Amino acid sequence: EAGVAQSPRYKIIEKRQSVAFWCNPISGHATLYWYQQILGQGPKLLIQFQNNGVVDDSQLPKDRFSAERLKGVDSTLKIQPAKLEDSAVYLCASSLDGHSGNTIYFGEGSWLTVV
Amino acid sequence: AQSVSQHNHHVILSEAASLELGCNYSYGGTVNLFWYVQYPGQHLQLLLKYFSGDPLVKGIKGFEAEFIKSKFSFNLRKPSVQWSDTAEYFCAVKRRAGTALIFGKGTTLSVSS
Repeated sequence: EAGVAQSPRYKIIEKRQSVAFWCNPISGHATLYWYQQILGQGPKLLIQFQNNGVVDDSQLPKDRFSAERLKGVDSTLKIQPAKLEDSAVYLCASSLDGHSGNTIYFGEGSWLTVV
Repeated sequence: AQSVSQHNHHVILSEAASLELGCNYSYGGTVNLFWYVQYPGQHLQLLLKYFSGDPLVKGIKGFEAEFIKSKFSFNLRKPSVQWSDTAEYFCAVKRRAGTALIFGKGTTLSVSS
């Protein structure tokens, strides 16, 4: 079974530039998550989708971060303009649905360095 | 706010030593509890999870965890670690009626052969 796919794996940009990350969840998974993992910390939820609707985006810095899942399958996370403190690994994850009993599967992450 | 605390930031053990990593959560309601592992260069993988029933949960690779409700704890254990257990370990909590996982800061385990 294919896992959660993310691209690009690595990205280096200058501050104030923009960047976009793409995620393709496991086939059939209705729930998709984007997490931010800063070095030395645990992953922090940015946004959760159920199909193409947003369930939770309370911790998404909406002045610079945006995410969409237009067709309820793959998703894009964008940062514009980037700040130095956005340097982190951006993890995409998916589960069958948002039910607490379902395992959440993670992708390998997209490593962002802002210089 | 709901939080997850992992007591040890970095643990260093020799092979065959026993392991216990602490995890406490602050949420008072019903929760589901997880331990994830991240091997160097790999993605987060589920080690084990607790939903209900027997508070002693067995996971993959010989790991187990015990849910102690009165202590709001879910400590991870392994009787005898191997060099291949070197990784970062994350405790996570999910509310039954809630949504996403809330993670602790992680514990780095280094096992020397």
